[in-house]
Amino acid sequence: EIVLTQSPGTLSLSPGQRATLSCRASQSVSGNLLAWYQQKPGQAPRLLIRAAYSRATGIPDRFSGSVSGTDFTLTITRLEPEDFAVYYCQQYGDAPGTFGQGTKVEIK
Amino acid sequence: QVQLVQSGAEVKKPGASVKVSCKASGYTFSAYYIHWVRQAPGQGLEWMGWLNPNGGGTYYAQTFQGRITMTGDTSISTAYMELNSLTSDDTAVYYCARIGVEIDWGQGTLVTVSS
Repeated sequence: EIVLTQSPGTLSLSPGQRATLSCRASQSVSGNLLAWYQQKPGQAPRLLIRAAYSRATGIPDRFSGSVSGTDFTLTITRLEPEDFAVYYCQQYGDAPGTFGQGTKVEIK
Repeated sequence: QVQLVQSGAEVKKPGASVKVSCKASGYTFSAYYIHWVRQAPGQGLEWMGWLNPNGGGTYYAQTFQGRITMTGDTSISTAYMELNSLTSDDTAVYYCARIGVEIDWGQGTLVTVSS
């Protein structure tokens, strides 16, 4: 089973700042099939990025994904008020599918 | 557009079973695996398994093996997840999702297990 470790657990930032979220896989993720989601209280996860890099339809270009080996990164270039939420990574290249434990981006 | 519409909230007693449905539209149902994910109150996302609607193959997370069944009915583009021997630890929102080249999620179904 591929274990995904997200860091930091909580990120305290101000609107307009840059956010860098990490998701480290315990082994290679097939096809770099890793997705990033945003979740707000009481809502279903919202897909941001699929296959490590590809922004989902309607997602602003301030969200971007990258990968280096087994290290995946979600970058939000300039935080907007609506970006404060919990973010999860998920690998779907191998079974069992796995999620990271989440990173909370909170207002400083 | 693609939609995954799940059945409504359920309240079950410990020891009972629950069956959640997920009706797909806007794409060829048999072309994408349907994954099930749950989220307990205040907790993270937990992957439960997948169903291949094309043939009915399944893969279950070890945590649920022996008490979970995923099935599909291609004639009505609907997937089902049944979980048996419920305990209070199974109280959660259950999501279906099509995951492949494209990814879409259902709205979630709250299952409450309480005596």
